[in-house]
Amino acid sequence: GNSVTQMEGPVTLSEEAFLTINCTYTATGYPSLFWYVQYPGEGLQLLLKATKADDKGSNKGFEATYRKETTSFHLEKGSVQVSDSAVYFCALRNSGGSNYKLTFGKGTLLTVNP
Amino acid sequence: NAGVTQTPKFQVLKTGQSMTLQCAQDMNHEYMSWYRQDPGMGLRLIHYSVGAGITDQGEVPNGYNVSRSTTEDFPLRLLSAAPSQTSVYFCASSLYGTNTEAFFGQGTRLTVV
Repeated sequence: GNSVTQMEGPVTLSEEAFLTINCTYTATGYPSLFWYVQYPGEGLQLLLKATKADDKGSNKGFEATYRKETTSFHLEKGSVQVSDSAVYFCALRNSGGSNYKLTFGKGTLLTVNP
Repeated sequence: NAGVTQTPKFQVLKTGQSMTLQCAQDMNHEYMSWYRQDPGMGLRLIHYSVGAGITDQGEVPNGYNVSRSTTEDFPLRLLSAAPSQTSVYFCASSLYGTNTEAFFGQGTRLTVV
């Protein structure tokens, strides 16, 4: 079946530090990969996505590259801000027997201090 | 632009009570789903629907019922609430497909005492 493993948190950084949150996946076929972000007290919202191998998704300074050879989709940002403090979820969506269900990792809490 | 609307935002139930969490979307999405979010567990799929009249179970369906009589609405029913169902519940909707974005409601925080 499908599964997503992401870096356990919490992660605490100072403003302007470099961020990496690791994500690896297990899936058959050709899934699409997503990063969702959840700000305090809110629902999840899409941060970025990549739909095929070697695609790079990017948004708001965040980037992630779909690496099929290492089954990874690590999230990076060069300089984090206090406003980036949130929970980040890696997810995949697959066709076939999974009926397009979204499978999530457990989430990584990021806190950015001024 | 409403998107996905969940009601209520907060609810306290006594053990054994029943209730319905409401979810409505105005984007004409075929695919709707319910998740629960618990500390350290991420989001776990309860039930999902690929269109009106079609529902299926996710990872943790026990104690919950759903129906999908219209494209817009996908209510989640707790039949007999238990403390183990204390959680934050999210409804999501999307178009049907591998690379489509899911849109989430604001969540319902449910406490069962």
